[in-house]
Amino acid sequence: DAGITQSPRYKITETGRQVTLMCHQTWSHSYMFWYRQDLGHGLRLIYYSAAADITDKGEVPDGYVVSRSKTENFPLTLESATRSQTSVYFCAPRTGLWDQPQHFGDGTRLSIL
Amino acid sequence: GENVEQHPSTLSVQEGDSAVIKCTYSDSASNYFPWYKQELGKRPQLIIDIRSNVGEKKDQRIAVTLNKTAKHFSLHITETQPEDSAVYFCAASGYGGSQGNLIFGKGTKLSVKP
Repeated sequence: DAGITQSPRYKITETGRQVTLMCHQTWSHSYMFWYRQDLGHGLRLIYYSAAADITDKGEVPDGYVVSRSKTENFPLTLESATRSQTSVYFCAPRTGLWDQPQHFGDGTRLSIL
Repeated sequence: GENVEQHPSTLSVQEGDSAVIKCTYSDSASNYFPWYKQELGKRPQLIIDIRSNVGEKKDQRIAVTLNKTAKHFSLHITETQPEDSAVYFCAASGYGGSQGNLIFGKGTKLSVKP
């Protein structure tokens, strides 16, 4: 969607390196989510944030770190990348929880060699 | 917590036929059920959603039905076209075990043959 920018779109790196995936939204949605998508596993929630400086773990948080100092940005960091973290990563802002629509960014395809 | 199961995992139909994808959920407190379409190499795109206060919602060739008693909801695509070929995901969220977060099904790969 036009209001969500993920960068980079593609990234190749080596095991052990630190990688940061960026997500920027122009809608000022309170909630932001990070998912990873792998064949056979569908979309799995890594971390989410309810507002600036408020973050919480999802289903698969191990090996990832997030921060949210500003409402519009929600970076995801792999502190020491492993091959099992090769995946497509999607950022998804949402107005609120419960019954609010959620839209996805274009994704970052990350390959770890 | 909430669990969403989606069937079938693959579906092949002839152009012009109808396609139906079904999902069941476990948490009776769930009250929001969106459907996403994901084309190859693209992001999941919200195509239709339904809240628990209605039983059916339509948007042109697509419709979603919800049976709260049985805890299942379905996506119906009529007059299918080759451009409907994609992976479709259902999801559920609500005031129960999902803590308001969307819980996704594993997806259905729909192929529409010309």
